[in-house]
Amino acid sequence: EDKVVQSPLSLVVHEGDTVTLNCSYEVTNFRSLLWYKQEKKAPTFLFMLTSSGIEKKSGRLSSILDKKELFSILNITATQTGDSAVYLCATDNNNDMRFGAGTRLTVKP
Amino acid sequence: DVKVTQSSRYLVKRTGEKVFLECVQDMDHENMFWYRQDPGLGLRLIYFSYDVKMKEKGDIPEGYSVSREKKERFSLILESASTNQTSMYLCASSPRQLSYTFGSGTRLTVV
Repeated sequence: EDKVVQSPLSLVVHEGDTVTLNCSYEVTNFRSLLWYKQEKKAPTFLFMLTSSGIEKKSGRLSSILDKKELFSILNITATQTGDSAVYLCATDNNNDMRFGAGTRLTVKP
Repeated sequence: DVKVTQSSRYLVKRTGEKVFLECVQDMDHENMFWYRQDPGLGLRLIYFSYDVKMKEKGDIPEGYSVSREKKERFSLILESASTNQTSMYLCASSPRQLSYTFGSGTRLTVV
């Protein structure tokens, strides 16, 4: 059965820390992996990854995909309280999308 | 294993047709949501519901309506399908706190 597993499920850090969120997947007909930040009702799109080994960056956030080992990581450097959210990982497959359960990140001042 | 089930994985409809997308959850969640996923745009909220017979517009409700007659079922209706509604549609549910479970999506093509 297709699955996307995120770890850790929750994480508490202090401002300025660097965090790494993990996403592993086992899906058929994989096309791409997507990361979202969820604070309110609609998740905010962060990255779409389709190729292995190519890092995508946006400010303090970066992500990379390993299609051989079937995982992706999302890094956040110099965390701020505004980074507190649930981070979702999802795979876009030919047939459907699969979401992980999310990592709840709390950044304390 | 808790689930959000979307009735169709693929749909192809003609312009002007009325389209029903069904979503059922078995977790007794109060909140249910409909999103569409388009390349480069991420997830956009169409409608959501906090309770039976309640509905609220999201960010892009135009051209859509919803129905929630039972707690476990939330239906998205395209009153008159148009080609710009070709998209991946995702249903999600959550309890009162922010913790979502997503369905697997329905790829709708309007020709």
